[in-house]
Amino acid sequence: QQQVKQSPQSLIVQKGGISIINCAYENTAFDYFPWYQQFPGKGPALLIAIRPDVSEKKEGRFTISFNKSAKQFSLHIMDSQPGDSATYFCAASMAGTYKYIFGTGTRLKVLA
Amino acid sequence: DAMVIQNPRYQVTQFGKPVTLSCSQTLNHNVMYWYQQKSSQAPKLLFHYYDKDFNNEADTPDNFQSRRPNTSFCFLDIRSPGLGDAAMYLCATSPQFGFYQPQHFGDGTRLSIL
Repeated sequence: QQQVKQSPQSLIVQKGGISIINCAYENTAFDYFPWYQQFPGKGPALLIAIRPDVSEKKEGRFTISFNKSAKQFSLHIMDSQPGDSATYFCAASMAGTYKYIFGTGTRLKVLA
Repeated sequence: DAMVIQNPRYQVTQFGKPVTLSCSQTLNHNVMYWYQQKSSQAPKLLFHYYDKDFNNEADTPDNFQSRRPNTSFCFLDIRSPGLGDAAMYLCATSPQFGFYQPQHFGDGTRLSIL
């Protein structure tokens, strides 16, 4: 029940296309869902985060869609660029707790 | 502008030889975390400090210990590194627990074991 399932494991997208990464969870007590971007040899960097009281959050080319009833959330990268090539991790946590439950990661490659 | 700084970036040690990794932060955050990340895997939480209170994850090997002498610094000590301890070690901070507080990661120390 503490797992966050992330798919796909890897993704190849043409430049200008839309990249979509999906995550699903079981624990309805989760109430904070961040996405992290990690480049090789670097630490994860917070990309965007959402709380379950909103269904969508957009920051630039990055959008999180949240479906509370389905217990799913997804990251959409619009107009994907080669510089977006990285590993993306979704995560979930509960207010008042210290622990993130990370997804298994998606390695995105955007072809020039 | 670096806010969570890890040193060294690369560390090579011998099998069984103690090693210490360091982390400093300029954010004045109460919570500091140590994660282990192996290739193509998600970060795995080893332990965290809430201020001076130390909390070990249940599955963190006894070989791993940590010190936090003050708010800004935190150390990861590996007493007798084995080959399976080769990994990237990430330090992270957050202002408080939960309440929509993101964790801020450093760029990690890549540890190799000879």
